[in-house]
Parts: sequence; structure tokens; C-alpha cells
Amino acid sequence: DAGVIQSPRHEVTEMGQEVTLRCKPISGHNSLFWYRQTMMRGLELLIYFNNNVPIDDSGMPEDRFSAKMPNASFSTLKIQPSEPRDSAVYFCASSRTRGETQYFGPGTRLLVL
Amino acid sequence: SQQGEEDPQALSIQEGENATMNCSYKTSINNLQWYRQNSGRGLVHLILIRSNEREKHSGRLRVTLDTSKKSSSLLITASRAADTASYFCATVPSNDYKLSFGAGTTVTVRA
Repeated sequence: DAGVIQSPRHEVTEMGQEVTLRCKPISGHNSLFWYRQTMMRGLELLIYFNNNVPIDDSGMPEDRFSAKMPNASFSTLKIQPSEPRDSAVYFCASSRTRGETQYFGPGTRLLVL
Repeated sequence: SQQGEEDPQALSIQEGENATMNCSYKTSINNLQWYRQNSGRGLVHLILIRSNEREKHSGRLRVTLDTSKKSSSLLITASRAADTASYFCATVPSNDYKLSFGAGTTVTVRA
């Protein structure tokens, strides 16, 4: 299996621009998670889906962030408008079932100028 | 908020030595997981230990869990330079499915 695939791997954008991060989970996995990692705050769970349905989005910082999972093989995390404080590494992870081992993608390194 | 807290924050050892790091958590758990992250990479799952288990092994890794003390330890035996990484514990609460990560222990193995 190819593992969790994320794109782009790096993104540099200017403040105010829309950013869309993409994730393809491992085939057959029912749960998908979006995390953000920074030096200051560590690894934070933003949102997770189970069977394509958002279950908990309490970690989403504010209305500028939105996530979708239109089908079992694709999810997006969108930031609109982006701000410099959104600069971080964003990880997508999937697991076969909730609460079990998670498999992480390589991450998207986002820099907002 | 972070459920697991690792100790120490950083560890430097000589190749061939053992490395031990600890994780403490606050609430009752379903399971506890350890992950490794190499610089600039994603997290890689190492071991999952369930609340009714006390010890688990995987190669050179040994994990213990003491639910009465709400703590876990990860032991890496005969360390290698390739073990240089950050190690995170993560807990799944009894009443939820979310993984809560600690701040991690940075391990440096000197050749």
C-alpha cells in the first residue's frame, strides 16, 4: 500500500490567500484525522472523520478553517483567508477503526508570509 | 490539551546504550500508543498497549503500562544512531476515540 498521501508537500503563500491541503487515506481505513504541528503548541488534532462524517471539529481554530471528506479516499483542509500564524506542518492520518493505530502522511509544510 | 506528558524532554546517549522515556497521563484510557518522528518527517507508529496489558515488546522496544499510576515507559535497548528522533506517547481515553499527544522526548544517539 502507498500509505497516506498528502499534497502539496510544501506551500508558500501570502496572507489573505486561500490554501487547500489534500489527503488520500489508506484504502480500507474508516477514520481520518487532520493535525497541525508547531514548535509552540506541539501536535494538535484539528478534526477527525469516521466513515466520511465529521465527528469532532473542536480543534479547528476558527471559521477560517474548514475540512471536507466527500468520499472514503479523499479529504481536504482549507484555510481562507490564511494568516502568518497558520504557518505549521499539517498532517493527515488514517486508521482502520477509531481509537486504533494511526498512519501518518508525510505532512504539508505551510508558510504564510 | 495534551493528555500525555513525556519525561525527559531531551535525552542524549551513546550508541549501544539503552534509552528510557516516560509518559504520564491524567484520565482513564482505552489504549496508549508510542510514535517516533524523524526530523522533517511524519509520525511512525511503534507500539500500541491496551489498558489491560502491562508490557509489550517489539524488536528492541519494550513498553510498560501502569494504569494505577497512569504512566507508561518506552525502553529502547542497544540504541543506534538511526534511533535519533522524537518519541511521542499518545492516549485514547476510555470515553472517546481521539488520540492526545504529549510534547515528546527528543532522543539523540551519539556515534
